[in-house]
Amino acid sequence: DAMVIQNPRYQVTQFGKPVTLSCSQTLNHNVMYWYQQKSSQAPKLLFHYYDKDFNNEADTPDNFQSRRPNTSFCFLDIRSPGLGDAAMYLCATSRGQGTYNEQFFGPGTRLTVL
Amino acid sequence: GQNIDQPTEMTATEGAIVQINCTYQTSGFNGLFWYQQHAGEAPTFLSYNVLDGLEEKGRFSSFLSRSKGYSYLLLKELQMKDSASYLCAVVDSNYQLIWGAGTKLIIKP
Repeated sequence: DAMVIQNPRYQVTQFGKPVTLSCSQTLNHNVMYWYQQKSSQAPKLLFHYYDKDFNNEADTPDNFQSRRPNTSFCFLDIRSPGLGDAAMYLCATSRGQGTYNEQFFGPGTRLTVL
Repeated sequence: GQNIDQPTEMTATEGAIVQINCTYQTSGFNGLFWYQQHAGEAPTFLSYNVLDGLEEKGRFSSFLSRSKGYSYLLLKELQMKDSASYLCAVVDSNYQLIWGAGTKLIIKP
């Protein structure tokens, strides 16, 4: 089945210790997104790629970086995690951007910062 | 600014009907999505509306009024598994998805 896969599902890191979250997709979609979602809040878009074109949201902290080495894979790097970065990180894909482009989500990675 | 409003929490009884409202104020409109999100899981697609009116899909229906900036999700014959958060999201003029904080729906036997 075509899908969006995220690894790991649960990640524990220490304050200030870099961490990388990964996302892969078998849908061959052009667009990949990274969201941060805290409890009972809306998903917050961090950045997205349209093919190789990187789009950073204006309020995404510099602490967050992303890489998309190919169509299938996308990585979220948190260079120096703080306690406030503990959240669920969701990867999503869509075929394109436009009036009807449903986003397909991976299962998420829950990040704990000690 | 852009704003999506939904009730924070609703409670309903198994077998009943519930309507979850969403009002929006966005820069432009290119469609509205409803997603379901169970606790600790990713959102899953429920419906998409871009024209006014009602879209029915099994037990779930979604309604849109663009002139009022209003949508609702109607869930019929509620089941315990429908306990989840329901997120409303609007595609703005830049084709960005603006998310509401979600409505937590609690189903009681």
